[in-house]
Amino acid sequence: AQSVTQLGSHVSVSEGALVLLRCNYSSSVPPYLFWYVQYPNQGLQLLLKYTSAATLVKGINGFEAEFKKSETSFHLTKPSAHMSDAAEYFCAVKTSYDKVIFGPGTSLSVIP
Amino acid sequence: ETGVTQSPTHLIKTRGQQVTLRCSSQSGHNTVSWYQQALGQGPQFIFQYYREEENGRGNFPPRFSGLQFPNYSSELNVNALELDDSALYLCASSPREGGAEAAFFGQGTRLTVV
Repeated sequence: AQSVTQLGSHVSVSEGALVLLRCNYSSSVPPYLFWYVQYPNQGLQLLLKYTSAATLVKGINGFEAEFKKSETSFHLTKPSAHMSDAAEYFCAVKTSYDKVIFGPGTSLSVIP
Repeated sequence: ETGVTQSPTHLIKTRGQQVTLRCSSQSGHNTVSWYQQALGQGPQFIFQYYREEENGRGNFPPRFSGLQFPNYSSELNVNALELDDSALYLCASSPREGGAEAAFFGQGTRLTVV
C-alpha cells in the first residue's frame, strides 16, 4: 500500500525567501509522484510530476522537486517566494495500476 | 482543448436527501476519478471509472455510487446524505487507466448538508 506524509501542516516564509515543503512517501514498487497546488475555493492544479525520467523535476511557477529514493522523499522547493505562492500544497503518489493517494497538505503563507 | 468541468459549483442539501454531481472530463481523457475533500484535509479517493465500469473504490459506503457515460462524462450520486458528507467533491480525468499520467482536476462542487 502507498502512503504520503507531509511534514508541517503550515509553513510561513518571507517574500523572497526559499520555500521548502517536505514530502515523504511509502510505496512497495517504484512510484509516480506529484505535487499539486490548491488556491482558496478552487480545484487542484498540477505543479510537477516525477515519472522516473529524471530525479530533479522542474514544474510551473519556478517550483522544482527532487526525488531521493534512499530517503523516500520528494520535497518541493522554490528559490524565492512570491506573494502569489500562498496556497495549499499537496504531495501525491501513485503506481501504474493504483490510484492517486494524497498527503494531508501543507498550507504556505508568504509574509511581505 | 477543454478542461475538466463540474456542476453545480455549490449545493445545499438536507440530511437524508440524495444528490447528483456531474463532471465532464478533459478532451481525450477516458478515465474519471472522484475525490472527497473535507475542510482542511487532503482529497480522499472515492472511486474511478474507466470505459464506463467502476475500476477501483476507496473506503466509502455503497450509498456513494457513480456512472460514466460513453462520452466519458461522469456522475457521482450520494444517497441518504449525512452531515459529514459536507465537503468539496473533486472530479479528475486522466488520459487512460493506469500509467504515469497525472490527473487533471475540475474546480469542484462544494456540498453542504444541513
